[in-house]
Order: sequence, then structure tokens, then C-alpha cells
Amino acid sequence: AQSVTQLGSHVSVSEGALVLLRCNYSSSVPPYLFWYVQYPNQGLQLLLKYTSAATLVKGINGFEAEFKKSETSFHLTKPSAHMSDAAEYFCAVRISGGYQKVTFGTGTKLQVIP
Amino acid sequence: NAGVTQTPKFQVLKTGQSMTLQCAQDMNHEYMSWYRQDPGMGLRLIHYSVGAGITDQGEVPNGYNVSRSTTEDFPLRLLSAAPSQTSVYFCASRPGQGTPNQPQHFGDGTRLSIL
Repeated sequence: AQSVTQLGSHVSVSEGALVLLRCNYSSSVPPYLFWYVQYPNQGLQLLLKYTSAATLVKGINGFEAEFKKSETSFHLTKPSAHMSDAAEYFCAVRISGGYQKVTFGTGTKLQVIP
Repeated sequence: NAGVTQTPKFQVLKTGQSMTLQCAQDMNHEYMSWYRQDPGMGLRLIHYSVGAGITDQGEVPNGYNVSRSTTEDFPLRLLSAAPSQTSVYFCASRPGQGTPNQPQHFGDGTRLSIL
């Protein structure tokens, strides 16, 4: 069975600083990995996805993530935080087979301090 | 370009009442799912469907029923509401079998309080 661990339920950064949100996964087979963002009172929106084509994945709003198989990690980064990045971020993993159930992490709330 | 539409957006129920949360998608997606979101617990799968007439249980199905009579609609029924079902409910859809790299599309959620 697959699982996802997001380290840090709350992360605070200053505006203009590096954003680093951590995600580690557990899967016995090559996974598909996703990062979603949730703004207040909204549903989840896809930021980016890893599908084995490239280990460094670029997403919307300047975010990117690097798949590291040896570390079973898929951390999300952005070089310079903007106030509009304040939201909750979810890492998710899916493996092939059957319904291909998605497992979500518990989320990380990002606060951006002016 | 509606995507996934959930109604109602907010609802308050009394313990023991029943209700149906509506979900509709206009993308002709085969797969649809219901999740509940609770603080610190991420999203947990309640029920899912891989096509019209086919449904199955997720992680936390107790107290909920679903049906899928059409591709577009996937309602979630609370049979007898309990305070533990106070949560935010999300419906999601995505293309079907053979598309594991495709993300889910989410509705804006239904915020449900059980008194």
C-alpha cells in the first residue's frame, strides 16, 4: 500500500524567501505523484504532477518539484514566495492497478509574512 | 466550463436527519469520488465510482451511501446524520482506466455541520 508523509503542518516564510514544502512517499511500485493547492473555501487545484518523464517537474505559479527515488521524496519549491502563495498544499500519490486509488498527505499550510 | 459542481455549499443539519449532497461533472469522466476533509487528516476517501452503475467503498464509508445512475452525477447520501460527520465534503472526477497520470478535478466543497 502507498502512503504519503508531509513534514510540517504549518510553514511560515517571508515574502521573497524560498519556499520548501516536504513530501515523502512510500510505494512498492513506481508512483505517480501530485501536488495540489487549496485556497480558503475552495477545492483542490493541481499544481504539478510527476509521471516519470522527467525528475524535475515545473508547475503553475512558479512552483517546481523534484522526484528523488533514492530518498523517496517529492519536495515542492518556489524560489521567491509571494503573498498570493498563502494556501494549504497537499502531496498525493497514486500507483497503477485497479481503481488507482490516490492517497493524500495531511497537508501543509503556508503562511507568507510581508 | 463548469467542471465539477457541488451543491449545496453550506448545510446545517440536526442529528438524525438525512440529506443528499449533489455532485455533477460535465467532462465525461468515468471516475468519480467523494472525500471528506478534516483538520490535520488530509482527504479521506468515502466512496468512489468507476462508471455508471458501479460504486465501491473507500476508507471511511460508514454512514454514507452513493449511487451512479449516469456518468455525470454522483450523489452522496447521509442516512442519519451524526456530529462526527461534521466536515467539508469534496467531490472529484477524472478520466477512467488507463489514465493514472491524470489528476483529479475537484468541486468547491460542501461545508456540513451536524448539531
